[in-house]
Amino acid sequence: SQKIEQNSEALNIQEGKTATLTCNYTNYSPAYLQWYRQDPGRGPVFLLLIRENEKEKRKERLKVTFDTTLKQSLFHITASQPADSATYLCALVADNTDKLIFGTGTRLQVFP
Amino acid sequence: DTGVSQDPRHKITKRGQNVTFRCDPISEHNRLYWYRQTLGQGPEFLTYFQNEAQLEKSRLLSDRFSAERPKGSFSTLEIQRTEQGDSAMYLCASSSGTHTDTQYFGPGTRLTVL
Repeated sequence: SQKIEQNSEALNIQEGKTATLTCNYTNYSPAYLQWYRQDPGRGPVFLLLIRENEKEKRKERLKVTFDTTLKQSLFHITASQPADSATYLCALVADNTDKLIFGTGTRLQVFP
Repeated sequence: DTGVSQDPRHKITKRGQNVTFRCDPISEHNRLYWYRQTLGQGPEFLTYFQNEAQLEKSRLLSDRFSAERPKGSFSTLEIQRTEQGDSAMYLCASSSGTHTDTQYFGPGTRLTVL
C-alpha cells in the first residue's frame, strides 16, 4: 500500500541545535516533495519544494534533502529557535493525480 | 490581506443537521482544493477545482458531501445529515496553476458535530 511516514513522536531539542525531521514514503514515485509548517489551529504554510533531480535545497536556516533511492526526505532546521516550534508536514503528489498527499506530521518543540 | 479566507472559523452543529462552509481563494488563483484534517493527522484531500470545473474527488467524499465553485471564484462545501465522524478541521487551499505550484492554505473551519 502507499504510505507517507513521519515520526509521530514529538522531537524536543534545545535552542541553537539542529533539528532533523524524516519523511519516508513507499509505493510512490513523486516528481517532487514539499514541506509545510503548521501551527495549532492554523492552516499549513508552504516552506520548501524539492524536485527528484535535486539532492538538496536550502532556504535561510532550512535545508531539505531528497533521496529517491531510499525514498526519503530529510528536513533540517539549523540554529533552531523556540519560534520554530510547530508541526512540520511533508507532502507529495500522488502518481497520475494532482492531489497532495500529506504525512501525519512531526511536532517539533525547541526549548530555550 | 489577500490570502485565502474561510468562513465560518468554527461551527458547532447537532447530528443530522446540514452545514455549509465557504472559501475565498487568492483572487488570481484558478485552482482551489478542499482538505479535511483530524487531530494528529495530516490534511486529507477531498476535492479540487480548476476554475469552476471539479476535476477530482476523493473516495473519502461520501454522497453527503458536495462542493461547488460556481463562477470559478469562491467555493462552498456542504455536508448534509452531519455525523459525529464529520468533526474535523476543513481546510481550503488555492494555487495558481499546475500541481507543482505552491498551495496556499486558509485558516480552516473547525466543525464539531454533537
